[in-house]
Amino acid sequence: AQSVTQPDIHITVSEGASLELRCNYSYGATPYLFWYVQSPGQGLQLLLKYFSGDTLVQGIKGFEAEFKRSQSSFNLRKPSVHWSDAAEYFCAVDPTDSWGKLQFGAGTQVVVTP
Amino acid sequence: KAGVTQTPRYLIKTRGQQVTLSCSPISGHRSVSWYQQTPGQGLQFLFEYFSETQRNKGNFPGRFSGRQFSNSRSEMNVSTLELGDSALYLCASSLGKGSVGYNEQFFGPGTRLTVL
Repeated sequence: AQSVTQPDIHITVSEGASLELRCNYSYGATPYLFWYVQSPGQGLQLLLKYFSGDTLVQGIKGFEAEFKRSQSSFNLRKPSVHWSDAAEYFCAVDPTDSWGKLQFGAGTQVVVTP
Repeated sequence: KAGVTQTPRYLIKTRGQQVTLSCSPISGHRSVSWYQQTPGQGLQFLFEYFSETQRNKGNFPGRFSGRQFSNSRSEMNVSTLELGDSALYLCASSLGKGSVGYNEQFFGPGTRLTVL
């Protein structure tokens, strides 16, 4: 079955430390891939996307993600976390045969400690 | 360019009532998708509209319906509300057609629906 998996429900990281959030997908063909961030009480903000081409993509707020076809993964990274990065992060997939439907992972809650 | 707007932001209803939520997409975007977000089920796709036509539908009962107008604004309706319909309802818009990136979705702030 098609699925998107975020193995980590909750991650705690110190301010200034690096952050990596994992995302794995299970689809027949390489789908379009996205990372979104949601702050409390807010909608989703697009951080970055992968459609094709260079497997390392840069996004907003200093985030980057690497697409690895062999591992069906699209992990999100940030070299140095700021307190404002505390939020919930969602990996999302748009299957290439779908219309307007994103399938989301369960999300990873990131807590930033001083 | 203004973002996706949703009205109202908060809504309280009682069981059995019906509710209509509104979404105004980004100017030029022709596709509008709706999602339900709950702590237990996460983010689930409801339906998508493009040029006033529903092209895709998620696995929700018929109590959930929607429509899109000629100006791309969209509404969703939930009839005979149940306690389990309490959720954050998110609307997203995208270009819907065209070159690479057409399906990049931009989300509104959501409507928080509470059913008592």
